[in-house]
Amino acid sequence: GAVVSQHPSRVICKSGTSVKIECRSLDFQATTMFWYRQFPKKSLMLMATSNEGSKATYEQGVEKDKFLINHASLTLSTLTVTSAHPEDSSFYICSANRGDSSYEQYFGPGTRLTVT
Amino acid sequence: GQSLEQPSEVTAVEGAIVQINCTYQTSGFYGLSWYQQHDGGAPTFLSYNGLDGLEETGRFSSFLSRSDSYGYLLLQELQMKDSASYFCAVRQTGANNLFFGTGTRLTVIP
Repeated sequence: GAVVSQHPSRVICKSGTSVKIECRSLDFQATTMFWYRQFPKKSLMLMATSNEGSKATYEQGVEKDKFLINHASLTLSTLTVTSAHPEDSSFYICSANRGDSSYEQYFGPGTRLTVT
Repeated sequence: GQSLEQPSEVTAVEGAIVQINCTYQTSGFYGLSWYQQHDGGAPTFLSYNGLDGLEETGRFSSFLSRSDSYGYLLLQELQMKDSASYFCAVRQTGANNLFFGTGTRLTVIP
């Protein structure tokens, strides 16, 4: 199956700092990637759709200036949590479709963010 | 908006069969997917229904009734390693993104 990686897997940062999370499709090109947030024992909440070469599409209630998404290449999307606060602590997961017609999404291993 | 409801927890015995239901409300429904997620891990794809009926993939089967806005995941010959969270997810027409259900935590006991 297709492989999606994320880096870092875990990060601890101080309140007020920014954190960048990378999502890479390792063996396929992804024109679209997705970013999700998951709280412990809860469902995955779609935050935004990352489009290669254009602006991301954010879901309602997700702050664009807080969660900056950049999709500069067909294999890399980044999520930057700016001015992080303890309430931003969560599990962030990215995913990608192998092709536009594919219904299967391949998920990265996730990034555990803890803001102190 | 979208709404997908699942039972929060299910417990079943090893070797048994379990069914996890999902009811959804969404505009522009395109298909229903099922994902498995072990604690701390990434969701992995199990099955997809674009049309009504049953899809079988090994020990896992998934069913969809579009008229009832309902689907289920059927797990047969349960194994201890099947203990995980299971999510249904809706794909909308014209979009590749998924909206996930509330999730069902399955515990398989000896």
